[in-house]
Amino acid sequence: DAKTTQPPSMDCAEGRAANLPCNHSTISGNEYVYWYRQIHSQGPQYIIHGLKNNETNEMASLIITEDRKSSTLILPHATLRDTAVYYCIVRVLSPISNFGNEKLTFGTGTRLTIIP
Amino acid sequence: EAQVTQNPRYLITVTGKKLTVTCSQNMNHEYMSWYRQDPGLGLRQIYYSMNVEVTDKGDVPEGYKVSRKEKRNFPLILESPSPNQTSLYFCASSPGVARNIQYFGAGTRLSVL
Repeated sequence: DAKTTQPPSMDCAEGRAANLPCNHSTISGNEYVYWYRQIHSQGPQYIIHGLKNNETNEMASLIITEDRKSSTLILPHATLRDTAVYYCIVRVLSPISNFGNEKLTFGTGTRLTIIP
Repeated sequence: EAQVTQNPRYLITVTGKKLTVTCSQNMNHEYMSWYRQDPGLGLRQIYYSMNVEVTDKGDVPEGYKVSRKEKRNFPLILESPSPNQTSLYFCASSPGVARNIQYFGAGTRLSVL
């Protein structure tokens, strides 16, 4: 799996857009970018994933650069409940084998604090 | 509502007293997994299951057992808990073809005295 680099922490004012960057310069052509977050001591929560086109869902938008070496997760109107650690990981879409294990391992992520 | 339910959420027990943490999902997912999370060590996989009656060890299986008799349930069993199993435990499930998208339970915080 390609390695990812994220800033350790960020602050964002409530109501503003939170933009979380992730570098993945060694990403392979068949690897997707996934984002998860973990609110303090709660279970990790899947947010969004993408290959090369920008993606949007009800939680966030994902912008992937044309060379795919970096991406940005955007929370359009951050609320206090968005305070969490955000993890960017890069993986192939599905296991090569139907019998493959897909354990998730997160790096240190970005601790996002939403300021009232 | 689609969810993964773990019980109990909090548990304090003593060394050697067998316990079971239950996990149930209502999304008809084939894949289920147990993780533990410890400060500075991140998420570590304990066991996983590809489908009913198919289970295998993860990275830290010692001291744990699992079973998968039904698709929806994947209990974690500690036959003889020890203090080094004090941790935050998460169960997760995933559809068979998109296992990088995993849905996690709320967690079980276990303390073994």
